[in-house]
Amino acid sequence: EVQLVESGGGLVQPGGSLRLSCAASGFTFSNYWMTWVRQAPGKGLEWVANIKQDGSEEYYVDSVKGRFTISRDNAKNSLYLQMNSLRAEDTAVYYCGYTPFDYWGQGTLVTVSS
Amino acid sequence: SYELTQPPSVSVSPGQTARITCSGDALPKKYAYWYQQKSGQAPVLVIYEDSKRPSGIPERFSGSSSGTMATLTISGAQVEDEADYYCYSPDSSGNHWVFGGGTRLTVL
Repeated sequence: EVQLVESGGGLVQPGGSLRLSCAASGFTFSNYWMTWVRQAPGKGLEWVANIKQDGSEEYYVDSVKGRFTISRDNAKNSLYLQMNSLRAEDTAVYYCGYTPFDYWGQGTLVTVSS
Repeated sequence: SYELTQPPSVSVSPGQTARITCSGDALPKKYAYWYQQKSGQAPVLVIYEDSKRPSGIPERFSGSSSGTMATLTISGAQVEDEADYYCYSPDSSGNHWVFGGGTRLTVL
């Protein structure tokens, strides 16, 4: 059974940093591009970043470029999102997954507020 | 940056056919995916690769794509289908993905 467990969210002040983790199981993690998406309260879904199977390519939505870094550890079946210089508009539930996103975790809530 | 455009809302009576469109310049060459999200819940995949239905999704859900528009069709919509629906697809490079703005389906 595929499981995706996101963690690392919390309350952080503007300008602060957080590192999100995603523990994956039930599928061959190293075979898939992995993705972070987010959903701000009361808003729609937003693609944030993705990373190639071997970590050699990564892409970001313009609004997080230069502030967020996606990474992975295939030995640990884990995906990460390092978030720096956080802004109020980064407040959202963050989900990890792989296209076609037929499996979703519970997400982890990031709140950026003073 | 690339955008997918959906109507903000669609309303139908129970038993009618609901059609939700998604417009994007790369859709002639890229697959569309559709998700249903009910209030307070994680999204659920209802259509992948334009027209394929995952196991467990009712047959009344179908998808199609023609030119720059993908369409999610719910034939004989039911009250329980009330939800937000999002399309998802990459830009022409295939590297940057985007969700449509979402469509609120009302069935009443």
